[in-house]
Amino acid sequence: GENVEQHPSTLSVQEGDSAVIKCTYSDSASNYFPWYKQELGKRPQLIIDIRSNVGEKKDQRIAVTLNKTAKHFSLHITETQPEDSAVYFCAAPSSNTGKLIFGQGTTLQVKP
Amino acid sequence: GAVVSQHPSRVICKSGTSVKIECRSLDFQATTMFWYRQFPKQSLMLMATSNEGSKATYEQGVEKDKFLINHASLTLSTLTVTSAHPEDSSFYICSAIREVRGNQPQHFGDGTRLSIL
Repeated sequence: GENVEQHPSTLSVQEGDSAVIKCTYSDSASNYFPWYKQELGKRPQLIIDIRSNVGEKKDQRIAVTLNKTAKHFSLHITETQPEDSAVYFCAAPSSNTGKLIFGQGTTLQVKP
Repeated sequence: GAVVSQHPSRVICKSGTSVKIECRSLDFQATTMFWYRQFPKQSLMLMATSNEGSKATYEQGVEKDKFLINHASLTLSTLTVTSAHPEDSSFYICSAIREVRGNQPQHFGDGTRLSIL
């Protein structure tokens, strides 16, 4: 079945440094890749997404890159701030049903 | 736009009680809604896909008789946890999409924290 692998499971950086989270997916027909940020006890919030017709997308300090050939995509956060601390999930949809398959999550800690 | 409302936000009840959770899309019609369960420090696990006017599709290992899903309209899906037990305690989250295509964002409700004593 479809699968999404996410690494690392935890990531600790100093404020101002960059953070990179990587995901691989198995469904070669997937064409949409969202990233969610989840703070403790709250719902996942979409922070950026990318469709398969582009290789990179940026939104201020956040960027996502996509390599369809290798079936992996990455989240890049530059100039990290303590408020970036949260759990980040990547996801890829089943091309047939639209259901999202989530990665295992990355707990990001940004130290002041 | 794309607001999803989920109620209640928190439930604490005794073992054996049935609990109903509602998920509403407030400003769009959702042909499909999804129900997830999330245990502490774990990822979101899809329980079932709810389609308006038809039976829900359950993921492997999810008991359909225990987790009853009803999607009676294009804006409302309900999840009923029947005869809940302590092991059912979890964070339940719904999401909704406008149409089933592989490139649509899902919009999440605020979640329901269920605690069974």
